[in-house]
Amino acid sequence: AQSVTQPDIHITVSEGASLELRCNYSYGATPYLFWYVQSPGQGLQLLLKYFSGDTLVQGIKGFEAEFKRSQSSFNLRKPSVHWSDAAEYFCAVGPIWAGGGADGLTFGKGTHLIIQP
Amino acid sequence: EAQVTQNPRYLITVTGKKLTVTCSQNMNHEYMSWYRQDPGLGLRQIYYSMNVEVTDKGDVPEGYKVSRKEKRNFPLILESPSPNQTSLYFCASSWAGENNSPLHFGNGTRLTVT
Repeated sequence: AQSVTQPDIHITVSEGASLELRCNYSYGATPYLFWYVQSPGQGLQLLLKYFSGDTLVQGIKGFEAEFKRSQSSFNLRKPSVHWSDAAEYFCAVGPIWAGGGADGLTFGKGTHLIIQP
Repeated sequence: EAQVTQNPRYLITVTGKKLTVTCSQNMNHEYMSWYRQDPGLGLRQIYYSMNVEVTDKGDVPEGYKVSRKEKRNFPLILESPSPNQTSLYFCASSWAGENNSPLHFGNGTRLTVT
């Protein structure tokens, strides 16, 4: 069964500092990987996705993520965080399309990002 | 504007009183899904639908029903709510069969069952 692990429940970063959020996955085939962000009181918004090709993918809001097959990881990075980046971040893995059950997306439990002034 | 609309945003009810949370999308998406989000558990899929009149169970379907009579609407029904269904619920939609189709999420419904 597919699974996603986000090892860090909470991360605190100073404004302007760099950020890396970790995501490890287990998947039996070629994974399709996503990072979503959830701002307070909002739904989830797609930051970026990886399907194939260049293992370094660029997303919105200055985020990027790198797929490392050998490490089963898809870590999210940002060179300099802003106070508005404070949110919950979810990594997800799934098949080619969003489905259900074994064919659906599996989400990690999330990492809560706190930005210190 | 492309969006997924859920109503209500907040709902407090009592055990056993039937309720419906509505979800509507204006993107003509075939696929729709319901998730619940609980602290420390992330998002778990309740039910999903690949198209009109096609629905199936997700990971945590017990205590919930859905229907898909129209493409744009996918209501979530709790026939007899219980306190363990207190949660934050999200509806999502996407194209089906596309290999680069992200989920579009609604803003959530926070349900409290007392």
